[in-house]
Amino acid sequence: AQKITQTQPGMFVQEKEAVTLDCTYDTSDQSYGLFWYKQPSSGEMIFLIYQGSYDEQNATEGRYSLNFQKARKSANLVISASQLGDSAMYFCAMREWGNQGGKLIFGQGTELSVKP
Amino acid sequence: EPEVTQTPSHQVTQMGQEVILRCVPISNHLYFYWYRQILGQKVEFLVSFYNNEISEKSEIFDDQFSVERPDGSNFTLKIRSTKLEDSAMYFCASRGRLTGELFFGEGSRLTVL
Repeated sequence: AQKITQTQPGMFVQEKEAVTLDCTYDTSDQSYGLFWYKQPSSGEMIFLIYQGSYDEQNATEGRYSLNFQKARKSANLVISASQLGDSAMYFCAMREWGNQGGKLIFGQGTELSVKP
Repeated sequence: EPEVTQTPSHQVTQMGQEVILRCVPISNHLYFYWYRQILGQKVEFLVSFYNNEISEKSEIFDDQFSVERPDGSNFTLKIRSTKLEDSAMYFCASRGRLTGELFFGEGSRLTVL
């Protein structure tokens, strides 16, 4: 069974600094995808970045990058140059390609607070 | 930019009543999902739907719940005989291709009194 673990319930970062949000996963599938979503206080779920299990390069999207370490089964999100608007909940999620319906399974989330 | 829309944004109901939450997925998407998020907790998978039938459902999705795509555009979640513990934010999501990300609606907050 697939499992996602986010061990940091809350994180603080100074504005303009970089921050890493941890995510580890467990799956028996060889083919899977890893996703990060942001949930601001308004509640919507915003897709940030995706990494496929066979992707050799770490994914990047603007200030977001995914530090993918396959052997360690970790997919940490790095946010560079933090902004006040980055304060939100961040969820790591995984999809196993063998799953018929293609569902995402989410971790518990990390609440990031950016200090001015 | 196309988006997933959900109605109502907030519904208050009495325990034991039935509620229907509605979603309009992105028009060319083929895969549809409902998720639930109890306040302060993680986002939990309820059900996936493809080709007019349920692909997978979680343990949460028992006989109290049902989904329907009645007219080719709407995707509904029906909760029968609501309980206090059904109070949560319910998210609809859709996806266009098997490997793509899920696009979420803004959620429907259900409060059961």
